[in-house]
Amino acid sequence: EAGVAQSPRYKIIEKRQSVAFWCNPISGHATLYWYQQILGQGPKLLIQFQNNGVVDDSQLPKDRFSAERLKGVDSTLKIQPAKLEDSAVYLCASSLYGGESDTQYFGPGTRLTVL
Amino acid sequence: AQKITQTQPGMFVQEKEAVTLDCTYDTSDQSYGLFWYKQPSSGEMIFLIYQGSYDEQNATEGRYSLNFQKARKSANLVISASQLGDSAMYFCAMRGFYNQGGKLIFGQGTELSVKP
Repeated sequence: EAGVAQSPRYKIIEKRQSVAFWCNPISGHATLYWYQQILGQGPKLLIQFQNNGVVDDSQLPKDRFSAERLKGVDSTLKIQPAKLEDSAVYLCASSLYGGESDTQYFGPGTRLTVL
Repeated sequence: AQKITQTQPGMFVQEKEAVTLDCTYDTSDQSYGLFWYKQPSSGEMIFLIYQGSYDEQNATEGRYSLNFQKARKSANLVISASQLGDSAMYFCAMRGFYNQGGKLIFGQGTELSVKP
C-alpha cells in the first residue's frame, strides 16, 4: 500500500513570495491533515479535512495561508505572502475516518526555508 | 488546557539495553487516545503505538510497549533491546474529542541516541 505522498521535498523562497505544497493521501482515507513543524518543536495542526470539507482550521493563519482538498482526495496548501517565521517542515497526514483511535499516517514532509 | 509534556530533551542508551521515554498529559476529556511517533532525521513521522484511555491493558507492539498510568496521567514509551536504528526524535501525542475537537496534540519530543 502506497503511503502519503508530498511534493516538493524542499523549497527555498524569498519573503513575500508565494509557495504551494501538494499532498496525496493514502487511498481510501477520508481525513487529511496539514501540520506545521517548526525546528525543535512538535507538529502543530493547521487544518483538517473530512472528505472535501474543513473540520478544523482554527490554527490556520487565514490572512496568508489557504488550503483546499480537490474532490476529497489530493490537497494543496498555499502560503501567500510568505514570512520568515513560516520556515518550517509542512507535514501532511491522512487517516481512515478521523475517529478517536484512528491512526494518522504522515508523509515525508516539505522543508520550507524563507529567506 | 490540553497539553503533552515530554521532560527529556535528549536521552542516551547503550545498544541492546531498554530505555523509557517519559510522557505526561493533561486533558479534561474522559475519552482520549495516546500515540507515540518516531521521527528519524529523514523527517517522516512513523506511528509506533496507540493506547486508548479505556484500555485496561498496556499496549505492546513488538519491541515497543506503553506504560499507561491513568491516575498519574502518564504514558511512557518503553523500547526494549535498543538498536542503532532507534536513534531518532520520539513524540508523544494525544487526541481527545469533546474538548479538543479531535485534534492531535504533540509534545516537544525526546531525542534518543543509541550508542554501539
